[in-house]
Amino acid sequence: DADVTQTPRNRITKTGKRIMLECSQTKGHDRMYWYRQDPGLGLRLIYYSFDVKDINKGEISDGYSVSRQAQAKFSLSLESAIPNQTALYFCATKGRSGGYTFGSGTRLTVV
Amino acid sequence: GIQVEQSPPDLILQEGANSTLRCNFSDSVNNLQWFHQNPWGQLINLFYIPSGTKQNGRLSATTVATERYSLLYISSSQTTDSGVYFCAVTVTGNQFYFGTGTSLTVIP
Repeated sequence: DADVTQTPRNRITKTGKRIMLECSQTKGHDRMYWYRQDPGLGLRLIYYSFDVKDINKGEISDGYSVSRQAQAKFSLSLESAIPNQTALYFCATKGRSGGYTFGSGTRLTVV
Repeated sequence: GIQVEQSPPDLILQEGANSTLRCNFSDSVNNLQWFHQNPWGQLINLFYIPSGTKQNGRLSATTVATERYSLLYISSSQTTDSGVYFCAVTVTGNQFYFGTGTSLTVIP
């Protein structure tokens, strides 16, 4: 099993719909992150969490919310999806030392 | 925030050729990683290298933190090396800053 698992892998949804992207990890890391990737813009941070009670906004948090249900689970929600939220979304984890581990990504299309 | 610049933005290589990708960053960092994003979108960690030199097979990386740059070397390139290579850094550990990547195409 992958260390960081994202579901779904691909999703097409309609404008205005609520959608949740889920991330779970088996690395035992406290820190979890959500990024989105758009062509030509690299990856940008949406939200991050250092533990279940510590959630912080990243540089592009508008239109998104998150929930850290447990140390191993960090979900990203789009309450009312819009077309410019079409992107590739990545979840990542990090321990107190060492680098980041990324999930395989969720390709979201809002039509 | 910190600026992360990668060069070249695009690179086309003949299979078997060697290449060097560069990452410059504008401030001191406490973490630097190189990632490969394959054509299917998966992001694969290549190196965690805030300083020094590491090697893994045909790939190696060097970070000179005092001069604020890192290099990724690809030797004897293969078509499976195609994709986008990202350099990413953190300053305080709270946020990861990505460069815009180098798009590599290896042709047979």
